[in-house]
Amino acid sequence: AQSVTQPDIHITVSEGASLELRCNYSYGATPYLFWYVQSPGQGLQLLLKYFSGDTLVQGIKGFEAEFKRSQSSFNLRKPSVHWSDAAEYFCAVGHSTGANNLFFGTGTRLTVIP
Amino acid sequence: EPEVTQTPSHQVTQMGQEVILRCVPISNHLYFYWYRQILGQKVEFLVSFYNNEISEKSEIFDDQFSVERPDGSNFTLKIRSTKLEDSAMYFCASSEYEGTQPQHFGDGTRLSIL
Repeated sequence: AQSVTQPDIHITVSEGASLELRCNYSYGATPYLFWYVQSPGQGLQLLLKYFSGDTLVQGIKGFEAEFKRSQSSFNLRKPSVHWSDAAEYFCAVGHSTGANNLFFGTGTRLTVIP
Repeated sequence: EPEVTQTPSHQVTQMGQEVILRCVPISNHLYFYWYRQILGQKVEFLVSFYNNEISEKSEIFDDQFSVERPDGSNFTLKIRSTKLEDSAMYFCASSEYEGTQPQHFGDGTRLSIL
């Protein structure tokens, strides 16, 4: 069965520091992987996606993620965090064939301190 | 950039009452979805809809739920007889195609059952 694990419930970083949010997935075939961000009171905004090809994908707002098949991971990174990055971040996995629902992780809340 | 819009942003309903949540997907999108997020929990898939019929649904989507595309623009989720545990944020999403195309989410409707 498909599942997504985000082991960090809450992360606090200083503005300007680097960030890595962890995501591990369980999926029987090649997954489609996504990172979404949710600001307070807002919907889910797509940051980036991985379908195939280059395992390092670039997204919006300076984020990137690396797909590592051997580790079943798709960690999100940003070299220098801005105060506006404070939000909830969700990793999600979708099917590569057929069904089209997304499975979400429980999310990681990012706090940015000045 | 085109957006998925949801109305209302907040709905308060007495237990046992019917509620209809409304969504306007992005205009050229063909696949429509409903997800829910109970406070503090992960985003969960409810149902996907394509070509005027349900293409997939989760175990959460029982007989009290229904979806409809009453015209060319709206996509609705109806809960027939609401229960306290239906209190959640409900997100509508749409995608141009299935699988490789990312799903674009609305800002959600917060449903509070009293």
